[in-house]
Amino acid sequence: QKEVEQNSGPLSVPEGAIASLNCTYSDRGSQSFFWYRQYSGKSPELIMFIYSNGDKEDGRFTAQLNKASQYVSLLIRDSQPSDSATYLCAVPPSGTYKYIFGTGTRLKVLA
Amino acid sequence: NAGVTQTPKFQVLKTGQSMTLQCAQDMNHNSMYWYRQDPGMGLRLIYYSASEGTTDKGEVPNGYNVSRLNKREFSLRLESAAPSQTSVYFCASMQDPNQPQHFGDGTRLSIL
Repeated sequence: QKEVEQNSGPLSVPEGAIASLNCTYSDRGSQSFFWYRQYSGKSPELIMFIYSNGDKEDGRFTAQLNKASQYVSLLIRDSQPSDSATYLCAVPPSGTYKYIFGTGTRLKVLA
Repeated sequence: NAGVTQTPKFQVLKTGQSMTLQCAQDMNHNSMYWYRQDPGMGLRLIYYSASEGTTDKGEVPNGYNVSRLNKREFSLRLESAAPSQTSVYFCASMQDPNQPQHFGDGTRLSIL
């Protein structure tokens, strides 16, 4: 059974701080890794994807991938109250069309 | 840019009634998916279609049927609705397994 695990939170950070969200996965063959943001009552929205080991930056967001340790993380710099949402990690196992989504980490940015 | 369109957005049914949730995508994606999300829970895969003409069960297929009508459309049918099927249903599509999935706005379904 392929798995993707995230801490459910809530993770509370003050406005302006760095929020660090983590995700571990079980399939060593996975090639692509996605982070989605989901506001309450809304659908998941893709915010970052990463395919290679290392860091990928996009504005205030940085995705970090370590395939040897089987974890992917999302850093949000200068956190804003508008970043308060649930963040879902998604990892497609190799050789399958089924995505595996983590249960999500709820982030609360305190003004 | 419509992306993934789901209809209806809201629906209330009585136990035992049937209905079909519709999903259409205009991104020429090969694969389409149906998920359900219960309050405070993660996404659970009901059925998916890797390509036109194929459908496969996901994690929670019981009580549902699907039809991949063509490359654009993928419908989800509840034959005899039960209160346990009260949920938010999301349709998603993607081009291939290493690409991101794109989600519709969801259908909020209540079964009394």
